[in-house]
Amino acid sequence: AQKITQTQPGMFVQEKEAVTLDCTYDTSDQSYGLFWYKQPSSGEMIFLIYQGSYDEQNATEGRYSLNFQKARKSANLVISASQLGDSAMYFCAMREGWGKLTFGQGTILTVHP
Amino acid sequence: NAGVMQNPRHLVRRRGQEARLRCSPMKGHSHVYWYRQLPEEGLKFMVYLQKENIIDESGMPKERFSAEFPKEGPSILRIQQVVRGDSAAYFCASSPDSRARGTGGQFFGPGTRLTVL
Repeated sequence: AQKITQTQPGMFVQEKEAVTLDCTYDTSDQSYGLFWYKQPSSGEMIFLIYQGSYDEQNATEGRYSLNFQKARKSANLVISASQLGDSAMYFCAMREGWGKLTFGQGTILTVHP
Repeated sequence: NAGVMQNPRHLVRRRGQEARLRCSPMKGHSHVYWYRQLPEEGLKFMVYLQKENIIDESGMPKERFSAEFPKEGPSILRIQQVVRGDSAAYFCASSPDSRARGTGGQFFGPGTRLTVL
């Protein structure tokens, strides 16, 4: 079974609008972490946001927020006020145990002017 | 404070040659992870090392691949007798300890793009 599932291969959004990128996960651990990374065409992995399994509030970092629904095992990324520079591949990842990250397949986001 | 450094950024090898990829973790980080990203795919864990120890190599192919993190110097991912299927981006990440929490979890280097001709 996939540990991290991103069901949207590609998403399109108009500049200045909000967009939600979906991520569901599967784990039997009680303690885990969820991450979102951005990978622009230049290829580097840019950390965006983190949510711990015991965190009661949804994580926010500037225009990024993580909609964490523990019972549903979902950790969707919400980008508000999209910008052209947000066009990139976005990966959801989960950390279990000592630190190894398991990544989803990614979602390509395209922001239209 | 320099981030995770990887070199070379791009590496071209012919089939049968050896590839050596280097990773210098962030200052103060003693844990290194290697991931591989095949074209159009997400990153896949390969190996986790601490200084002079391999902790988990469950993601490493059984043959031709090896990794080390010596007491002094960078971590090295070595691929012997490369084949075309080894063409990928190889990322290194580091963390200060195995139970790093929050945004201090893992910091990624820029990656090494390996092309096998």
